[in-house]
Amino acid sequence: DVKVTQSSRYLVKRTGEKVFLECVQDMDHENMFWYRQDPGLGLRLIYFSYDVKMKEKGDIPEGYSVSREKKERFSLILESASTNQTSMYLCASRTHAAGRETQYFGPGTRLLVL
Amino acid sequence: GQNIDQPTEMTATEGAIVQINCTYQTSGFNGLFWYQQHAGEAPTFLSYNVLDGLEEKGRFSSFLSRSKGYSYLLLKELQMKDSASYLCAALMDTGRRALTFGSGTRLQVQP
Repeated sequence: DVKVTQSSRYLVKRTGEKVFLECVQDMDHENMFWYRQDPGLGLRLIYFSYDVKMKEKGDIPEGYSVSREKKERFSLILESASTNQTSMYLCASRTHAAGRETQYFGPGTRLLVL
Repeated sequence: GQNIDQPTEMTATEGAIVQINCTYQTSGFNGLFWYQQHAGEAPTFLSYNVLDGLEEKGRFSSFLSRSKGYSYLLLKELQMKDSASYLCAALMDTGRRALTFGSGTRLQVQP
């Protein structure tokens, strides 16, 4: 059973704080993704990673950075949190075993920036 | 970029059948996902279609027409627990392997 875990379900931070969101998957997947989900906007891609130490910008990377030092862990960093980064953050991991494409999501982190 | 359209809200009755439609731009398209998401929870994978046709998985089926840029999710024998948002997402042939999501369809199942 594929498992994608995120470090926190709920997080409250103050404007200007540095925030770390951690994501871990236990299936040796190479591809990992960070999305944010906002009402009426759906899920939007922030950053993704093909492999260890590799990272690519998604559609809305501004204000974020990422780190992939180990294959199983993909971290999202908010360098200086702002109120417009209040959102639901979802990590995903991709497999295409046996030609079947599947992407699994973690439980999500609901971040509130005050 | 990809533009994915699906209805915002739908209502159906317990025991009935409901079809949730999704349209997308065909250029660079590589596959279509459906996810179920209950309020406050993460999306859970329902189906992935890459070829034309209908794929059935228990009470849920998903259909794809690549030439028309059209997919639907069919839910049979609706249960109250099926009340959730249903997300349509396209996989594009860009090498990114990330998904482009629609805004989701909120389905309310009534007794």
